[in-house]
Order: sequence, then structure tokens, then C-alpha cells
Amino acid sequence: GIQVEQSPPDLILQEGANSTLRCNFSDSVNNLQWFHQNPWGQLINLFYIPSGTKQNGRLSATTVATERYSLLYISSSQTTDSGVYFCAVEWGWNDYKLSFGAGTTVTVRA
Amino acid sequence: EPEVTQTPSHQVTQMGQEVILRCVPISNHLYFYWYRQILGQKVEFLVSFYNNEISEKSEIFDDQFSVERPDGSNFTLKIRSTKLEDSAMYFCASRQGHTGELFFGEGSRLTVL
Repeated sequence: GIQVEQSPPDLILQEGANSTLRCNFSDSVNNLQWFHQNPWGQLINLFYIPSGTKQNGRLSATTVATERYSLLYISSSQTTDSGVYFCAVEWGWNDYKLSFGAGTTVTVRA
Repeated sequence: EPEVTQTPSHQVTQMGQEVILRCVPISNHLYFYWYRQILGQKVEFLVSFYNNEISEKSEIFDDQFSVERPDGSNFTLKIRSTKLEDSAMYFCASRQGHTGELFFGEGSRLTVL
């Protein structure tokens, strides 16, 4: 199956700092999504981004499908950005389920 | 904005008991899924469901698990005889087509004692 690797595994930020999270995947994908899991365990959809660039407020994401990676940018981080960020992909032909990475745990300190 | 809703948000049960987790997918969606996350681990695929039958299931989805769409709105996951290792967060998801963005519910936390 497809391999999804996220880096870094842990990230500690001071409030107001910017950061970049990376997701590498081992094969071509037809779906890529970023999620934020808050401290209560809820999964929040951030981006559906199989290719290209999207922005939503202080968050933006870029996927370069030909080079098999995606980046999630957090600007002017706030304590509410803390949690685990997951990248998940659907692999090429005939695979209709998301494979999740192990996540990046982000801690934003006031 | 339409959303996937799940109940209960948290359930505590004794080992060996039956549990039913409920989901209401987004109304015009046709493809439904259950995923599971054991504490501290990755989110894992359990099962996909379309046209009133299972499309695909993982190795985790053994005979103790079943899914059903009992009416036009609900999608349920039943665990027949719970084990300690079934303790996890269970996420329901849905989408309109067999590809495209997958919309997740907020999860149901199951604790088996």
C-alpha cells in the first residue's frame, strides 16, 4: 500500500510564529486531505488538495503531486492551533479509502 | 454548512456487550465509511458502504463488526461483543461520489472496561 510520512513528528511554537508541516507520499494520489485533530479528539477538515494551492485564513496548503509531497503552512500561530495535524491520501487507481500519516503534534505556547 | 453527525460522543461499556454507534451522513452523499483511531495511533480504515452493501473492508473489520443503513438517513456500526482492544475513537465519513473530498464526523469515543 501507499506510504505516507509526515514531518516533523513534533513541533513547539511560540504564539505568533509561522511553521511548515510536510507530507510525503510514495505513489500517485487522486485525493489528499489535511485534518486537524483537536485536544478532544475531533477531526476537523482543513483542506481537500490533491494538487495546487489553497488558503483559508491563516492556513494554506500546497500539493505538488508530481513530486509526491504536500505542505501545510500555519502563519501567526495561536494557542488554538495546538493539536495533531494529519495528512491523508487516496492512492491512484481503484483505491477508495484514505490512508493516514502518523501526524505532526503541534504545541503553541502563549 | 451540512455536516456528518455522530452519536454518542462517548460510550463506556463492559467487555462482551454489544455497542451500536450511529451516524447521520450528509444528506445527498451516497458513499459511507467508518474509520477507527486507537489512542495515540493513526486513523485506520474499517469499512466502506455503498448501495446498501459493503464495498470494501479492512482486516480489522472481522465478524464482530457489522454496518447497516436501517433507513434513509442513519448509518450504523455495530460491535457484537466488545473487547478491551475495541476501545478507540470511531469516525464516520461520507461523500457524494466514490472519489473526492471525504467529510468526517466528530467521532464517537468508545471505552471498553
